[in-house]
Amino acid sequence: KNEVEQSPQNLTAQEGEFITINCSYSVGISALHWLQQHPGGGIVSLFMLSSGKKKHGRLIATINIQEKHSSLHITASHPRDSAVYICAVFGNQFYFGTGTSLTVIP
Amino acid sequence: DAGVIQSPRHEVTEMGQEVTLRCKPISGHNSLFWYRQTMMRGLELLIYFNNNVPIDDSGMPEDRFSAKMPNASFSTLKIQPSEPRDSAVYFCASSSRTGPDTIYFGEGSWLTVV
Repeated sequence: KNEVEQSPQNLTAQEGEFITINCSYSVGISALHWLQQHPGGGIVSLFMLSSGKKKHGRLIATINIQEKHSSLHITASHPRDSAVYICAVFGNQFYFGTGTSLTVIP
Repeated sequence: DAGVIQSPRHEVTEMGQEVTLRCKPISGHNSLFWYRQTMMRGLELLIYFNNNVPIDDSGMPEDRFSAKMPNASFSTLKIQPSEPRDSAVYFCASSSRTGPDTIYFGEGSWLTVV
């Protein structure tokens, strides 16, 4: 049983498209992270959310605590957005989703 | 800031050998995390420290794994003896708050045990 489920697992988009990645979790949490991992392995924390919505450039993250669901949106997608996006939640420990592999085609 | 610094970046070792991975967190951060990433299991939290004290080591796979944080600027993850199934990328991350605030990851240590 996975405490964190992400969808889709793989996503291919044309440059400029609006992209949504979803994350659902089954445990009580105090925070949710969206992580980005580029080819070559480096991991960057994009957002930490405990409620509501955050925006950073073309990236928007939302969380609904009651529904135990979060979404990561990318507006005007670009090939440099190609990466694996990982949802991670912190309750009494960290739980990770298996990631969404995004490829943006020029 | 130099970010989280890990060493070695790559290591290939023979089964049975001791492996020591090192991490220097960002100065001023008081939480440090060790993660392992494999194709099969994805990203797993192994252990994390707050103020140099291990808080949760339930992710450490077995007694062959041990982690220490002797001071605020240095941590080690040791595997003894190593096995081929330990082959993975090991990430260290640090955070400036107790608990899950913004986390900064190192570039990872790529371990291959043959």
